[in-house]
Amino acid sequence: ILNVEQSPQSLHVQEGDSTNFTCSFPSSNFYALHWYRWETAKSPEALFVMTLSGDEKKKGRISATLNTKEGYSYLYIKGSQPEDSATYLCAANDYKLSFGAGTTVTVRA
Amino acid sequence: DTAVSQTPKYLVTQMGNDKSIKCEQNLGHDTMYWYKQDSKKFLKIMFSYNNKELIINETVPNRFSPKSPDKAHLNLHINSLELGDSAVYFCASSQDGQEAEAFFGQGTRLTVV
Repeated sequence: ILNVEQSPQSLHVQEGDSTNFTCSFPSSNFYALHWYRWETAKSPEALFVMTLSGDEKKKGRISATLNTKEGYSYLYIKGSQPEDSATYLCAANDYKLSFGAGTTVTVRA
Repeated sequence: DTAVSQTPKYLVTQMGNDKSIKCEQNLGHDTMYWYKQDSKKFLKIMFSYNNKELIINETVPNRFSPKSPDKAHLNLHINSLELGDSAVYFCASSQDGQEAEAFFGQGTRLTVV
């Protein structure tokens, strides 16, 4: 199982503010980096799958970047809204998904 | 139709019992997984099956036995349940390949008393 770390563990952001958080993973034998959004009482849903270093993916106000050489990915939320409140999981995939512990985002109105 | 469905959603049972959790996916995926959400909320992989064949078996007590009757189903059978088995168990499926996103079931909350 790959050692995937996410920071911070949790954060609070005011509605309308932007925020970002980090996922770090072993840079050797890298295959793919996944981001999932996990709302309370639901199951994780895929946001992005990234493979190319320097790649940036975007879905609405959420975007992610990837640096495979140094082993990190950032997830950005622009203009946070209450519906963005969730736990965001990243996972490195080397034949199996190894998940980080997640960053729990709470957006305050 | 639910893409990945698990039953039951909640399961409360006594120590020592044997129980099963069922998982079915209607996405046509070749790969299915079982994950355990531990006390620290980590999702840890337990098993992975590709086309009915076991391809990943992480360090899991042999009281846990997956069964895949066909590639759309991956059931988890647990013998001699222990208190420490209490957790939320998630089933997931994906296409082949590292870029394929996983689709998760809604989870089964197992409580051993």
